[in-house]
Amino acid sequence: DTEVTQTPKHLVMGMTNKKSLKCEQHMGHRAMYWYKQKAKKPPELMFVYSYEKLSINESVPSRFSPECPNSSLLNLHLHALQPEDSALYLCASSQPRDRGPSWRNTEAFFGQGTRLTVV
Amino acid sequence: AQSVTQLDSHVSVSEGTPVLLRCNYSSSYSPSLFWYVQHPNKGLQLLLKYTSAATLVKGINGFEAEFKKSETSFHLTKPSAHMSDAAEYFCVVSERMTTDSWGKLQFGAGTQVVVTP
Repeated sequence: DTEVTQTPKHLVMGMTNKKSLKCEQHMGHRAMYWYKQKAKKPPELMFVYSYEKLSINESVPSRFSPECPNSSLLNLHLHALQPEDSALYLCASSQPRDRGPSWRNTEAFFGQGTRLTVV
Repeated sequence: AQSVTQLDSHVSVSEGTPVLLRCNYSSSYSPSLFWYVQHPNKGLQLLLKYTSAATLVKGINGFEAEFKKSETSFHLTKPSAHMSDAAEYFCVVSERMTTDSWGKLQFGAGTQVVVTP
């Protein structure tokens, strides 16, 4: 199973709402990611979790709050979003190799994304 | 520091003709390189990867890419385009990781492929 599952597929929310995006993988990967993708642009990294701990936060506004409850699940909690936050939100996972001179990132597997519209 | 440049933002080909998508990278170390495809409103699917083994890499759906260190290139090719190949393609680089770069993939700007009948 090389699948990363994201729910919901579509989400419309008001600027005062609180919602959550969910991501699940059962490949045993210990790195999970949130990306934001605007139309006609490449994905932009938001957060990286490594072994269930937040390892990278790319200066994302606090209205986005990630959570990694266990090694298979990744959530993104949304609160007080702005219309410019409307985008495709992608979750991904990968299996990091052991640290060493040739330590590299392996390929990332992406979910189908959640299309978020903030009104 | 790593970076990746996709030399064409838009490529149009006729069905049945070859496809060439060009990618150049810059990396301080021997990188890992990937090509991903994204169909409209879908996630990214891995086409192929280079991780310092064979320089000619075969992927899914008839795609292949050749790693040329001297040219710092990783161009994607397919001998015969199919209508289903119409999509956005991203060249991605990942180099040896440090604490600051752990988990980071560097994406190219993307190449939009249009296939005409």
